Parts: sequence; C-alpha cells; structure tokens
Amino acid sequence: EAHLVESGGGLVQPGGSLRLSCAASGFTASSNYMSWVRQAPGKGLEWVSVIYSGGNTFYGDSVKGRFSISRDNSKNTLYLQMNSLRPEDTAVYYCARGRSCGTSYVFDYWGQGTLVTVSS
Amino acid sequence: DIVMTQSPDSLAVSLGERATINCKSSQSVLYSSDNKNYLAWYQQKPGQPPKLLIYWASIRESGVPDRFSGSGSGTDFTLTISSLQAEDVAVYSCQQSYSTPFTFGGGTKVEIK
Repeated sequence: EAHLVESGGGLVQPGGSLRLSCAASGFTASSNYMSWVRQAPGKGLEWVSVIYSGGNTFYGDSVKGRFSISRDNSKNTLYLQMNSLRPEDTAVYYCARGRSCGTSYVFDYWGQGTLVTVSS
Repeated sequence: DIVMTQSPDSLAVSLGERATINCKSSQSVLYSSDNKNYLAWYQQKPGQPPKLLIYWASIRESGVPDRFSGSGSGTDFTLTISSLQAEDVAVYSCQQSYSTPFTFGGGTKVEIK
C-alpha cells in the first residue's frame, strides 16, 4: 500500500526559507502526479503545487515565484523548496499522490502533514 | 481560477438521519470530451489528513460505505450521507480537478445533533 511521510516543517522567520520532504513508499513517485496541499490553522484546503510524471510543474498563484517543487527519483522523494516565506504561509503542508482519473487526477493517498510556522 | 463555494458551513444531524452538503463551482467542471464532471469530495476527521470519498462527482472510492453518495453536474453538486453514523463526524470538502489550480471548497463541518 502507498505511504507518504512528510518532514522538514518548523518555525521560520518572515523572509526565510524551508525545504519540505515527502518520502514515498509502496509505489514509484516519479510515475505519478505528486502534489503539495496546505491547510492554514482552522481554514480549508489550498492546493499549492504539482509535478507531473513527465516533470512539468504548476503552482498556485499565492506561491508562484517563491516555491519550487521537485523530486529525487533515486530516493523516491518529493520536495517543496519554500523561499521568501510570509506569515500567511503558516499551515500544515500535506503531500498527496494524484491518481490518474480520466484527463485529470484525484488525491488518493495523503501524508500526515508537517507544520510550517512563519513568525518573528 | 475556479471558485468552489460550499454550503452550509456547518450542520448538525441526528444519528441515522440524512445529511446534505452542497458545492457550487464558478464555472462548469464538466469536460465535454468524456462527459465527466471533475469534482471530488474529501472527508477530513480532526487531526487527520483528508480522505478521498467520491470522484467524477458520483463514483465512490473503493472501501467507502454506500451511505455516501454524490450527485450533480456542471456547476452544482451534492454530497449526501443517507444515514449519519457517529464516525461520519468530520469536515467535508469538494475539489475541482478540471483546471489548475485545483481549488477546494471551504469545507462543511458535520456534527451530531
């Protein structure tokens, strides 16, 4: 069965950087769509970014130009490099697998999440 | 971006009764080439990640109890829990995967009355 474990969250000052990791097991991450989704405290879910199996990447408007998604196929691990962090980036960040579904995909496996707090 | 609007924000239902959650998209999520609605529903219990319940607006994910059902097309969708159980207490969110960014609704909190 697929399993995802996020790490790398923590407290960072505004303007700082952080890199999140998501270790995948039970499947090959590079053969799937892999996404990051975040949830601010007490708020709804916000899609952040996706990397397709072919390597194409897309970002939500709120993080475009500041965040970068990547993967290491040899480690079966997904990353999210977050730069120029703002207080509004404070959230639990989830890694999710996108299962191909017609012309798009659905998130069928999720990690437990890692908390990122941006504060001085 | 496609805006997803859910209603109500919360609802309290007696055990065994029906719960109905609505989701409206700002533009159609029906893809004409395959006639499928790219709308999914997720359940999130406290302290847990979301869980996929339904995709293509009405297809139950494997292992999801049949008391959960989805309906609707185009811009208006509904998630129904036919007979609420105690373990169904959670926040339910809709999400469109018609176009990036894949936006979510704000969530509906379901509680026991």
